[in-house]
Amino acid sequence: QSALTQPASVSGSPGQSITISCTGTSSDVGGDNYVSWYQQHPGKAPKLMIFDVSNRPSGVSNRFSGSKSGNTASLTISGLQADDEADYYCNSHTSGGTWVFGGGTKLTVL
Amino acid sequence: QVQLQESGPGLVKPSETLSLTCNVSGGSISSSNYFWGWIRQPPGKGLEWIGNVFYTGNTYYNPSLKSRVTISIDTSKNQFSLRLSFVTAADTAVYYCARRKYGSSWRDYWGQGTLVTVSS
Repeated sequence: QSALTQPASVSGSPGQSITISCTGTSSDVGGDNYVSWYQQHPGKAPKLMIFDVSNRPSGVSNRFSGSKSGNTASLTISGLQADDEADYYCNSHTSGGTWVFGGGTKLTVL
Repeated sequence: QVQLQESGPGLVKPSETLSLTCNVSGGSISSSNYFWGWIRQPPGKGLEWIGNVFYTGNTYYNPSLKSRVTISIDTSKNQFSLRLSFVTAADTAVYYCARRKYGSSWRDYWGQGTLVTVSS
């Protein structure tokens, strides 16, 4: 299985919105709604931000939202804050019952 | 509050077997509601899913690692384990254990991660 495709980096100014894409195939992202997004600060374990395409766990800011169209999932962060600067990873279930991560996107808050 | 904690050697020699254990506290590993899994991250690189185990012992593995990986569960000790055989320098990584809800992509609790270095 190949890693899902994410942009290596994105950036935005405080208060702006950014979107990170995650492109796969009909055998993973496009196959069901089991797509999640993780935020990872340096030296820390990943933190779940979005699960099942568009659901937010309790305690995650509503500035974070997820969506999917075809084989591409997206994470949108609105009202960018300095603490949002981190690496973001998408993760998808596959038709083979396994899971695959995206390559990761480094978000820089200018 | 559920907590996961990885333990095991931080240094493994090439061609040998990497063995890690994840101890689960604050919740039962025998629950039918969750899968228990391993994810790794080489230094400076992205996350890679290794595999999952259910309380029944059923497992799913990353196809690229399947020939070398074994994940097992010990419900009496409330822990699960990873064994990766014939390791090389490419297996040097931070290894995380994590819990995922059955029937969902909701992977909520993670261990802090443990660095395993493969070197002679």
